[in-house]
Amino acid sequence: IAGITQAPTSQILAAGRRMTLRCTQDMRHNAMYWYRQDLGLGLRLIHYSNTAGTTGKGEVPDGYSVSRANTDDFPLTLASAVPSQTSVYFCASSETAGGDNEQFFGPGTRLTVL
Amino acid sequence: GQNIDQPTEMTATEGAIVQINCTYQTSGFNGLFWYQQHAGEAPTFLSYNVLDGLEEKGRFSSFLSRSKGYSYLLLKELQMKDSASYLCAAMDSNYQLIWGAGTKLIIKP
Repeated sequence: IAGITQAPTSQILAAGRRMTLRCTQDMRHNAMYWYRQDLGLGLRLIHYSNTAGTTGKGEVPDGYSVSRANTDDFPLTLASAVPSQTSVYFCASSETAGGDNEQFFGPGTRLTVL
Repeated sequence: GQNIDQPTEMTATEGAIVQINCTYQTSGFNGLFWYQQHAGEAPTFLSYNVLDGLEEKGRFSSFLSRSKGYSYLLLKELQMKDSASYLCAAMDSNYQLIWGAGTKLIIKP
């Protein structure tokens, strides 16, 4: 693994189903983030984690949950998917939160909820 | 509220110079980032400014005025590969990034 990876690449999901988007980084970064990107809107932060064992809510957390059991993995779960959760989801990481620490992004997961 | 404004789309000619503007309003301020995003790909980091002034990095430069809540990204000697969206993001007092919707830059031969 080099950098940050996400799985799946894309998914079509029936409304009401549970779905977990996976994110793994091998850079030993402390901070990780989940964003959604919708046409005409900026990236919006869903949840974040400043260090393993801690998580926080971003701008649009409703309907999503995360966990950070270790440094490398930061899965995002949709408990019961709805069509408004159709979006491109990006996972990102940075060495620490704040300052000039650039965020490195995974390739994204394109999710369609029908 | 927190807000980032940048133009939706710009067009420029190969070899020319283009300036992409960004204005921001955030609760606290801990720096301004610019990212590049090609269609269908992830954003990649271009620059970070926290002090007033110009930061130059090759063909790309970024400027910040904290008193005006204003930044711009300057791209020189435009190449076709510079066709992409350019995202402006300001870091607020909670060290979270507030993102603009992006400026789609179209380069014509």
